[in-house]
Amino acid sequence: ETGVTQTPRHLVMGMTNKKSLKCEQHLGHNAMYWYKQSAKKPLELMFVYSLEERVENNSVPSRFSPECPNSSHLFLHLHTLQPEDSALYLCASSQGVQNTGELFFGEGSRLTVL
Amino acid sequence: DAKTTQPNSMESNEEEPVHLPCNHSTISGTDYIHWYRQLPSQGPEYVIHGLTSNVNNRMASLAIAEDRKSSTLILHRATLRDAAVYYCILRDSGSGNTPLVFGKGTRLSVIA
Repeated sequence: ETGVTQTPRHLVMGMTNKKSLKCEQHLGHNAMYWYKQSAKKPLELMFVYSLEERVENNSVPSRFSPECPNSSHLFLHLHTLQPEDSALYLCASSQGVQNTGELFFGEGSRLTVL
Repeated sequence: DAKTTQPNSMESNEEEPVHLPCNHSTISGTDYIHWYRQLPSQGPEYVIHGLTSNVNNRMASLAIAEDRKSSTLILHRATLRDAAVYYCILRDSGSGNTPLVFGKGTRLSVIA
């Protein structure tokens, strides 16, 4: 138990569906992150939120839309995805985005796009 | 971010020490060395980090070369639970926003 909870753990969706991934942290952190882990590829940073403001967007396609309504919750809204978007999506949180801030990861949401 | 180089995989016997190497020849003076690991079916977890001096914690030790161009993560007694992918990552302390950027890591197998 890392203090970062992701739901759902598994999701199967069609290319025309709209779904959302949810992340909640109970650690009092003020920074949250979305990473993508595809098979046989390194983890890719997607988005960074600090104090509920997006501070980094790593050229992610617009079919992925993040939302951070408060410092404890982070969403990833999914719309018109492609099969190559199938991956493990990991959420993380930290106290600040400075270099020594330890990141705490959730267990991930495994997404399959048919 | 400066790049790190790690072996793709390593193998260890249970109960024996494991030395996981990391090369970072282009490290800058403001880069911290971080190690994370990812157990099967889990998200990554923090292991240890350091700047210049060797560091110890309950999970592992970090030995940093004097010129800082390489470092070694040391697991003193490997257990089956230590089988994971280990990531060596540099984070620049010179700028405010330094998110963690992962490479391919080293896949450690532990043999009973």
